[in-house]
Amino acid sequence: NAGVTQTPKFQVLKTGQSMTLQCAQDMNHNSMYWYRQDPGMGLRLIYYSASEGTTDKGEVPNGYNVSRLNKREFSLRLESAAPSQTSVYFCASSVLAQGGNEQFFGPGTRLTVL
Amino acid sequence: GDSVTQMEGPVTLSEEAFLTINCTYTATGYPSLFWYVQYPGEGLQLLLKATKADDKGSNKGFEATYRKETTSFHLEKGSVQVSDSAVYFCALSDQGNTPLVFGKGTRLSVIA
Repeated sequence: NAGVTQTPKFQVLKTGQSMTLQCAQDMNHNSMYWYRQDPGMGLRLIYYSASEGTTDKGEVPNGYNVSRLNKREFSLRLESAAPSQTSVYFCASSVLAQGGNEQFFGPGTRLTVL
Repeated sequence: GDSVTQMEGPVTLSEEAFLTINCTYTATGYPSLFWYVQYPGEGLQLLLKATKADDKGSNKGFEATYRKETTSFHLEKGSVQVSDSAVYFCALSDQGNTPLVFGKGTRLSVIA
């Protein structure tokens, strides 16, 4: 199992450009998440999808859109990138089990907006 | 709402020193508690977890005990190594299928 995969690993954009970050999981998990992590800061939830066909806003949704394409894939789109969106983006997935909602993380996408 | 508070870093220790990273939580229900570790340039990975009061999670020499009476889940290791240098996140899972609530993370640096 590959777990949670993210593409691309690195990306440089100019202000105003758009792009989509891709995430896929092969663990048959119901829920998927997008976080951003800024230097010296913790994780901030952007959007999540509790199940296929549903999405909900997290703490910092402005400037982003998401699509839960199917059970495996959850993409994050920046329509008009801004320097404030320079960050590391992590995708995660989870399944509710007896031990709680344990999340599994991808390796991250490092995005720089110039 | 639910929240997790963990000690501010960075924490710098010499190799073989004892480590404690404090974590306390506020939750309405009976949460499961987690410690995640993030090594430089990587994503987060689960270090250990505990699902009910008095449970002890352990992994790679790290331990944490779920203390309901003090709403705490402190991370400990008896003898740290340089390879333990990372950022550690405390988190809780409360009601059903909702996102984990994370603390802000504590950066640990271990020097030889």
